[in-house]
Amino acid sequence: GQNIDQPTEMTATEGAIVQINCTYQTSGFNGLFWYQQHAGEAPTFLSYNVLDGLEEKGRFSSFLSRSKGYSYLLLKELQMKDSASYLCAVERPGGYALNFGKGTSLLVTP
Amino acid sequence: GAVVSQHPSRVICKSGTSVKIECRSLDFQATTMFWYRQFPKQSLMLMATSNEGSKATYEQGVEKDKFLINHASLTLSTLTVTSAHPEDSSFYICSARGQDNTQYFGPGTRLTVL
Repeated sequence: GQNIDQPTEMTATEGAIVQINCTYQTSGFNGLFWYQQHAGEAPTFLSYNVLDGLEEKGRFSSFLSRSKGYSYLLLKELQMKDSASYLCAVERPGGYALNFGKGTSLLVTP
Repeated sequence: GAVVSQHPSRVICKSGTSVKIECRSLDFQATTMFWYRQFPKQSLMLMATSNEGSKATYEQGVEKDKFLINHASLTLSTLTVTSAHPEDSSFYICSARGQDNTQYFGPGTRLTVL
């Protein structure tokens, strides 16, 4: 089966740091993606983790622990435009399709 | 990164009609594309995996006779919603896996069935 959990909503202040957690229990694992999605738009790629550890890309970092079935997305120096939904997705082995969590709606306030 | 396009971006149709949505990989070849559906305030749900030159693989609960998928070339997959009904109104998004192992999403098609 597939079970991917994320917090539903988070609020943070402009300029701050926020960490969005994702836990997963899946029958197979090939990698983990984080996507950003603004309302009414398609998801845009943020990060892809295959091995354990931290991947840093500018203001965004993503961490993966395969043994714990856990990942987080870290957003630094938050900007108002970072207000969006953040989707955690586990890539299935073999076919490469993605199973998505329900997404975390992040609100950045002044 | 790779670019995936979708057409149309928005469609409104009457109940009972069929609607075709195109998904194209513009600067890379994709032997496999994916079709997702997203209802308001929900996450993306995989509908089917589209395989070039062979039949699509549908997720459990998705009617293959209602959602026809054709992947006739390495850059084009189409999804046809046959005899659409109001409950089929949704945001349909395709994706393709690029050579960098990243899945790139099209801009989505918002279908409204009256």
